[in-house]
Amino acid sequence: EGQLLESGGGLVQPGGSLRLACAASGFTFSSYDMSWVRQAPGKGLEWVADISASGGSTYYADSVKGRFTISRDNPKNTLYLQMNFLRAEDTAIYFCAKNLLVTGASPLDYWGQGTLVTVSS
Amino acid sequence: DIVMTQSPDSLAVSLGERATINCKSSQSVLYSSNNKNYLAWYQQKPGQPPRLLIFWASIRESGVPERFSGSGSGTDFTLTISSLQAEDVAVYYCQQYYINPYTFGQGTKLEIK
Repeated sequence: EGQLLESGGGLVQPGGSLRLACAASGFTFSSYDMSWVRQAPGKGLEWVADISASGGSTYYADSVKGRFTISRDNPKNTLYLQMNFLRAEDTAIYFCAKNLLVTGASPLDYWGQGTLVTVSS
Repeated sequence: DIVMTQSPDSLAVSLGERATINCKSSQSVLYSSNNKNYLAWYQQKPGQPPRLLIFWASIRESGVPERFSGSGSGTDFTLTISSLQAEDVAVYYCQQYYINPYTFGQGTKLEIK
């Protein structure tokens, strides 16, 4: 069964940067599109970004476009989220998640436990 | 962007009774070429990540109990729990994956009456 383990969260000042990582195991990482989804404290889920299996295509929510970059290293089975120019409203638990299906649009079947990012001075 | 609106925001149901959660999308998520609705339902318990319950609007994910069912098409969808169990207390979210950004509903909190 697939497993995802996020790391890299922490406390950062407004305007700062942080890089999240998500280590994947138990499935053929290079075959699946992957996503980042966040959840502000006590709030609902917000889809942030996704990336195709090859890494050639990426999509972003308007709220993070131009500030966040999703990438992946398939030989290392790792997904990344580079977050720059962080704002207080970026404070959230960040989950990485795997597409259910190998091809086409798909819901998310495996989720990590999440990593907390806190943006505060 | 497609806006997903769930109702109600919260719901209290007695054990063994039926629970119904609705989800409405601001535009159709039915893809005519394959007749599939790009709609999923997730369950999230406190301190846990979301769990996929239903996809293609009505297909149960592997391991999901039969008491969970999904229905609907186009813009209107329903998640039904036929006989509520104590372990079903959670927040439930719908999500469209028809077009990026793959937006979620605001969530429905389900409690025991």
